[in-house]
Amino acid sequence: DTGVSQDPRHKITKRGQNVTFRCDPISEHNRLYWYRQTLGQGPEFLTYFQNEAQLEKSRLLSDRFSAERPKGSFSTLEIQRTEQGDSAMYLCASSLSSRLGEAFFGQGTRLTVV
Amino acid sequence: AQSVTQPDIHITVSEGASLELRCNYSYGATPYLFWYVQSPGQGLQLLLKYFSGDTLVQGIKGFEAEFKRSQSSFNLRKPSVHWSDAAEYFCAVGPYGGSQGNLIFGKGTKLSVKP
Repeated sequence: DTGVSQDPRHKITKRGQNVTFRCDPISEHNRLYWYRQTLGQGPEFLTYFQNEAQLEKSRLLSDRFSAERPKGSFSTLEIQRTEQGDSAMYLCASSLSSRLGEAFFGQGTRLTVV
Repeated sequence: AQSVTQPDIHITVSEGASLELRCNYSYGATPYLFWYVQSPGQGLQLLLKYFSGDTLVQGIKGFEAEFKRSQSSFNLRKPSVHWSDAAEYFCAVGPYGGSQGNLIFGKGTKLSVKP
């Protein structure tokens, strides 16, 4: 297993467009998390799944954001009608529910909204 | 509200010198505490964690951290820094409330290493 992979690594989009990111977790991990990181800040929690169930969403998460994990394996994060404030690094992480907090992170997708 | 404070935005140390990165937390219950490292172009990597028990925990790459409940601190230390340690370090706390696994991160401390 090569770890958590994210695709694409970089995305430039025009304001108002929709974008979708993909995350492939470590295969045996049943938990998957999405975080957002802006310059000079630590990662900020967005949402997480246990298997295919989305168990929590941050109150800060706009309705323009939606995430899915349809078969309990890979996940997608979609941002609709992107805004310049959405520009950030989007990080995916996975873990075993039996080992809380010991998350393995992907390299992230850097989104630039122009 | 739960929070993590890393007071030092940027620290520079000489190679071979000792290192201490500070982390203070605010948390309503016994916290789970973590240190992650982020190298340029790399994902966050877990250095060490504290759940319970011995308050001095050992991690990878020669790092250790000490949990001090009275000071609400979880400082990261290394006795002798290597040039490859230059990176950004994040302290995190979790889980909290009814959730099970999401982390609250500090803003990070960037470490530079002088030759």
